[in-house]
Amino acid sequence: TQLLEQSPQFLSIQEGENLTVYCNSSSVFSSLQWYRQEPGEGPVLLVTVVTGGEVKKLKRLTFQFGDARKDSSLHITAAQPGDTGLYLCAGARGATNKLIFGTGTLLAVQP
Amino acid sequence: DTAVSQTPKYLVTQMGNDKSIKCEQNLGHDTMYWYKQDSKKFLKIMFSYNNKELIINETVPNRFSPKSPDKAHLNLHINSLELGDSAVYFCASSQVRSGGGNYEQYFGPGTRLTVT
Repeated sequence: TQLLEQSPQFLSIQEGENLTVYCNSSSVFSSLQWYRQEPGEGPVLLVTVVTGGEVKKLKRLTFQFGDARKDSSLHITAAQPGDTGLYLCAGARGATNKLIFGTGTLLAVQP
Repeated sequence: DTAVSQTPKYLVTQMGNDKSIKCEQNLGHDTMYWYKQDSKKFLKIMFSYNNKELIINETVPNRFSPKSPDKAHLNLHINSLELGDSAVYFCASSQVRSGGGNYEQYFGPGTRLTVT
């Protein structure tokens, strides 16, 4: 089973703090996506990274794809309560580009 | 306008019953998916259809039968429901790139199925 492990599993921080979420696998992926899911809703795509070593920024969020395309990280600067949610990484593999989702990181940002 | 819609939002039923969940997308995408999210929030793909053709069929009990009447619809029928089927089921859609690979997936709001 191709498993994408995310760490930490849970994270509760104060508004204004920085944090990093990691997504690791022993498998190589053609691309990797990060989603955020809020309670009662479906996941919403934040970013797609394709090239090994690629770094993308989305306002206060910085995403990096590992050089070997096996891992990724999400860094949030000055977290805000609106960042609260479940963060999911998802790697694409195979001819059908099936998405393998990570185990998830539940983030709570306290005001 | 809702991009990917599912009905019903909540479904409570007894063991042994048969139920269906409907999904529709108005994004013009050619690929649709069904995912299951368990109580630990783990999201796992079940099926994928491209232009009404089944392209991904994970290890799912044959009590689950997807049906795609057209590109914009992918329904999920479940026979003889079991307690372990309780989960949130998400429909999603995407568009295959001309050079291969998919664009991002758009998810519906989910259907929370509770089997008692």
